[in-house]
Amino acid sequence: DAGVTQSPTHLIKTRGQHVTLRCSPISGHKSVSWYQQVLGQGPQFIFQYYEKEERGRGNFPDRFSARQFPNYSSELNVNALLLGDSALYLCASSLGPTGTYSGNTIYFGEGSWLTVV
Amino acid sequence: QQQVKQSPQSLIVQKGGISIINCAYENTAFDYFPWYQQFPGKGPALLIAIRPDVSEKKEGRFTISFNKSAKQFSLHIMDSQPGDSATYFCAAIPGNQFYFGTGTSLTVIP
Repeated sequence: DAGVTQSPTHLIKTRGQHVTLRCSPISGHKSVSWYQQVLGQGPQFIFQYYEKEERGRGNFPDRFSARQFPNYSSELNVNALLLGDSALYLCASSLGPTGTYSGNTIYFGEGSWLTVV
Repeated sequence: QQQVKQSPQSLIVQKGGISIINCAYENTAFDYFPWYQQFPGKGPALLIAIRPDVSEKKEGRFTISFNKSAKQFSLHIMDSQPGDSATYFCAAIPGNQFYFGTGTSLTVIP
């Protein structure tokens, strides 16, 4: 079975541009979460979606947005990119939402490396 | 504000030795404590997890010790191997999100 897949794996953007990152969860998983991991730090929570509804939002500016599609795949969008947005963006999927028995085991993809120049 | 504090930042252990990584938290609402292992260029992978109603959980060479009153938990890697060299993150869940520690870079030397 395929794990969590993310695309693109690497990308370089210029300040002020917009980026869209994509994630396909493990088959049967209905919850997707997005995390930002800056080099040398732990992942920071951005969003969680379950059954296409936003279930949580971390402390990130409104330039960050996301959505989940009927097939449970998800997109993370970042507008007006800043140099500080350079990071590894991780998608994680789980059967249920975080905080529930079926949602506390999350599986990460290998991430999308974003470099803003 | 760091919700979960992790130490040490880096750790070097001889092959066959015990690696110990510690985490502390303040929020008593945290009710699930997983540990993740991350190799360079890869996403974090779940290693072992514990709930606060248990003081210790062991899976193979990996053990979590949990001290609810001190609000601390630790990962012990017994018989450490060079293949264990990776970055380890503790995490805690109060509800709808994971809070991760800052990570410990473990190097096991042959």
